[in-house]
Amino acid sequence: EFALTQSPGTLSVSPGERATLSCRASHSITTSLAWYQQKFGQAPRLLIYGASNRATGIPDRFSGSGSGTDFTLTISRLEPEDFAVYYCQQYGSSTWTFGQGTKVEIK
Amino acid sequence: QVQLVESGGGVVQPGGSLRLFCAASGFTFSDYGMHWVRQAPGKGLEWVSFIRYDGNKKFYADSVKGRFTISRDISKNTLYLQMNSLRGEDSAVYYCAKATVAYASSSEFDYWGQGTPVTVSS
Repeated sequence: EFALTQSPGTLSVSPGERATLSCRASHSITTSLAWYQQKFGQAPRLLIYGASNRATGIPDRFSGSGSGTDFTLTISRLEPEDFAVYYCQQYGSSTWTFGQGTKVEIK
Repeated sequence: QVQLVESGGGVVQPGGSLRLFCAASGFTFSDYGMHWVRQAPGKGLEWVSFIRYDGNKKFYADSVKGRFTISRDISKNTLYLQMNSLRGEDSAVYYCAKATVAYASSSEFDYWGQGTPVTVSS
């Protein structure tokens, strides 16, 4: 069964610092990977698609990289509004799977 | 602008049924695949079901296969999720979401509704 594993489960970062989030796929998904941000009580918001393409209106402090099985979301300088939960998602071959999420909290 | 508005959630007893609705506007509904995604209280996102832009292909998560049915009405710009034989573990906020790429089955989700809560409890 296909799985996406995100690490760490929780990341404690100070505003202005860099955050690096990881997502590992159980088998290769080339670049069929997206990242979403979800704030408490809100719907998820698309940040990154195709592993490295920013969605419309997403600030350039968000960047994605990787292919195959290992992917990274980097937030270069954390703003107060960036503290949230982040999910990776694969969408290859008519299947859709989310990782379990990484919570980015204020240190 | 794109809007997705879910409704139909509520409290239902185990074994009961519920029908969810997602009213779509701001885009050509018939050109895009649509999804249902759920989130149990305090938990992560779980993909539930997908319907192709033309309604001719449907996919379901194993956890709901045989109990849930996805459908769409192009004339009403509305997406549905018929949920039967409900269980406690189906309790969640249910979101509808739009595929980003027209006519594509494999695509990320660019717009989400605000969700409708479903509670399965006696």
